Amino acid sequence: QVQLQESGPGLVKPSETLSLTCTVSGGSVSSGSYYWSWIRQPPGKGLEWIGYIYYSGSTNYNPSLKSRVTISVDTSKNQFSLKLSSVTAADTAVYYCAREGRGEHEHDYWGQGTLVTVSS
Amino acid sequence: SYVLTQPPSVSVAPGKTARITCGGNNIGSKSVHWYQQKPGQAPVLVIYYDSDRPSGIPERFSGSNSGNTATLTISRVEAGDEADYYCQVWDSSSDHQVFGTGTKVTVL
Repeated sequence: QVQLQESGPGLVKPSETLSLTCTVSGGSVSSGSYYWSWIRQPPGKGLEWIGYIYYSGSTNYNPSLKSRVTISVDTSKNQFSLKLSSVTAADTAVYYCAREGRGEHEHDYWGQGTLVTVSS
Repeated sequence: SYVLTQPPSVSVAPGKTARITCGGNNIGSKSVHWYQQKPGQAPVLVIYYDSDRPSGIPERFSGSNSGNTATLTISRVEAGDEADYYCQVWDSSSDHQVFGTGTKVTVL
């Protein structure tokens, strides 16, 4: 059973960089069959795809966030990470990591999510 | 950019059938996935590739997709089905994915 677990600070100051890590167990980020994604959900709102990474390091980002997002992968630790720069209150959200199928991009396994609040 | 539109809410009595629509331009040409999200929990995949069910998802959940509308159908609705439901597709023209606006299902 694949499990994903997000970790990182729950509070980030405006203009700083949000950094989260997703640790994968029961599966490998080096699997060629999947992408590894970040998705967020502002309080009381819907889901927003942030982007994904493939084990090779290739990435694909939501155009609305592309200028501020970096997703990286560490195959030796079976982890992948998210950095979002120049954050504002609008970036306050629950951040989820998830496994994404390479064929039709379904998300079959999700982390429990972590709330990140942007506030001074 | 590609837009997926869902009704904000659907109400249904226990034992009846709930139908949740997801509208998008020529969505029938895309693979649609559906997620169930209960309060305080991560989303759960309930339908993928329009109509396939992951292991562990009851047969009461089914999906269809044609033309400009995809539909998630929940038969014999139970109190435990009360949740938010989201559709999702991959937009190949823009090379990124899109989530629907979400539908809150209330069991009366």
